[in-house]
Amino acid sequence: DTGVSQDPRHKITKRGQNVTFRCDPISEHNRLYWYRQTLGQGPEFLTYFQNEAQLEKSRLLSDRFSAERPKGSFSTLEIQRTEQGDSAMYLCASTSPAPTQYFGPGTRLTVL
Amino acid sequence: DQQVKQNSPSLSVQEGRISILNCDYTNSMFDYFLWYKKYPAEGPTFLISISSIKDKNEDGRFTVFLNKSAKHLSLHIVPSQPGDSAVYFCAASDRDDKIIFGKGTRLHILP
Repeated sequence: DTGVSQDPRHKITKRGQNVTFRCDPISEHNRLYWYRQTLGQGPEFLTYFQNEAQLEKSRLLSDRFSAERPKGSFSTLEIQRTEQGDSAMYLCASTSPAPTQYFGPGTRLTVL
Repeated sequence: DQQVKQNSPSLSVQEGRISILNCDYTNSMFDYFLWYKKYPAEGPTFLISISSIKDKNEDGRFTVFLNKSAKHLSLHIVPSQPGDSAVYFCAASDRDDKIIFGKGTRLHILP
């Protein structure tokens, strides 16, 4: 399978815990995006990378959120001290060339 | 401030008929428009796109129309099939290539 993959698919955690999600983009894609989707809404942009450089972060991305793409391949999204409001589907997408982005299956986070 | 608007939360269409999903946008800087289809518990799947320099793009049963003066686009699916039942997201891209999504329209294809 050469599509975008995300791990885990589901994560249940208790409030206050840290969680980390991983995204593996399509191999030749140099741009990688993170989005968040809550119920009844479309995906909302969080941040994106061009190779290993993080080029933009949304105001939705509070200080508790951090994303990395250390070698310009896979990316991780970490949420520290999770809150119930962080419960959502976290989506990763990649592209090259832009602008059509191809999405992974998402990680559904539930914060109890 | 919602830059991409899908005003119909849901739409029901008889199998075999045409499905028309509508979308309005406010930002004239958008230069590329996309439609994605989403099933529950899956990521969005790219369907079809259109550049702002065109007014129509067709791919099989799917056609997207763009009216720049009205800042309106629509997705036509004909003929509609049961597997088309899903949530459809209209999306727009600016020069930074971020995608701004609408809230989606749930399409039900009736037998």
